[in-house]
Amino acid sequence: DVKVTQSSRYLVKRTGEKVFLECVQDMDHENMFWYRQDPGLGLRLIYFSYDVKMKEKGDIPEGYSVSREKKERFSLILESASTNQTSMYLCASSSGTTNNQPQHFGDGTRLSIL
Amino acid sequence: AQTVTQSQPEMSVQEAETVTLSCTYDTSESDYYLFWYKQPPSRQMILVIRQEAYKQQNATENRFSVNFQKAAKSFSLKISDSQLGDAAMYFCAYRPPMGSGNTGKLIFGQGTTLQVKP
Repeated sequence: DVKVTQSSRYLVKRTGEKVFLECVQDMDHENMFWYRQDPGLGLRLIYFSYDVKMKEKGDIPEGYSVSREKKERFSLILESASTNQTSMYLCASSSGTTNNQPQHFGDGTRLSIL
Repeated sequence: AQTVTQSQPEMSVQEAETVTLSCTYDTSESDYYLFWYKQPPSRQMILVIRQEAYKQQNATENRFSVNFQKAAKSFSLKISDSQLGDAAMYFCAYRPPMGSGNTGKLIFGQGTTLQVKP
C-alpha cells in the first residue's frame, strides 16, 4: 500500500513565524501535491511538483512556497504565517506515468495560526 | 475555468438504504477522469471509485456505483445498502487531460457530508 506521511497531525504557530510542513511518500511517485481544505470550499491546490526540483503553482499559491530536493519528500513553507492560513493541509502523491492513477493522501495537518 | 460543484452540503440515509450524491462539472475537454473520494472522520482521504470519460459504461465497486452523464456533465455516486462505516465527507474530483501542466492535478468539489442513521 502507498504510504503518504505528514510530519504533524496538529500544529500551532504564531503570526509571522516561518512554518514548515513536511510530506514523505514511499512509492517512488513522480507527482506530489499540497492542498488546503476549508469548510464549504473543498480542497484547493496550493502547489504541485512533477519531478525533483520542479514545482508549479496551483490555484492559491500566495503566501506559500515549496521545496522538493528529493523525490520522496515535498515540503510546504509558509514564509510569514498569517491567521488566514489557519486550515487543514493535505499532501498527496500519484504516479506520473498515466492519467488514470489516483492520488494518495496523507492524514492531514491541522494548522492553527494565532 | 474548470469547476466541480457538489450542491448538497449534507445528506443522511438510513442504514441499509440507498443514497445518491450529486456532482456536476464544467469542462470543454473530451478526455478526462472523474473520481469520488471519501474522507472519514479520521481524515485520511481514500479513493472510492473512478470513471474514464471515454468509457460509456458506469463504473462499479461493490456497493458503490456512478451514474455518468457526459453530455449533462453529471457524475453522481450511488451507495447501496448503506453501512455505518459509510459515514464520511465525500468529494467529487475532476482530472484534466495530461499535458500543458496538468500533471495529474485534481479539481475538487465542495464536499458532501453523509450521515448514516442506525
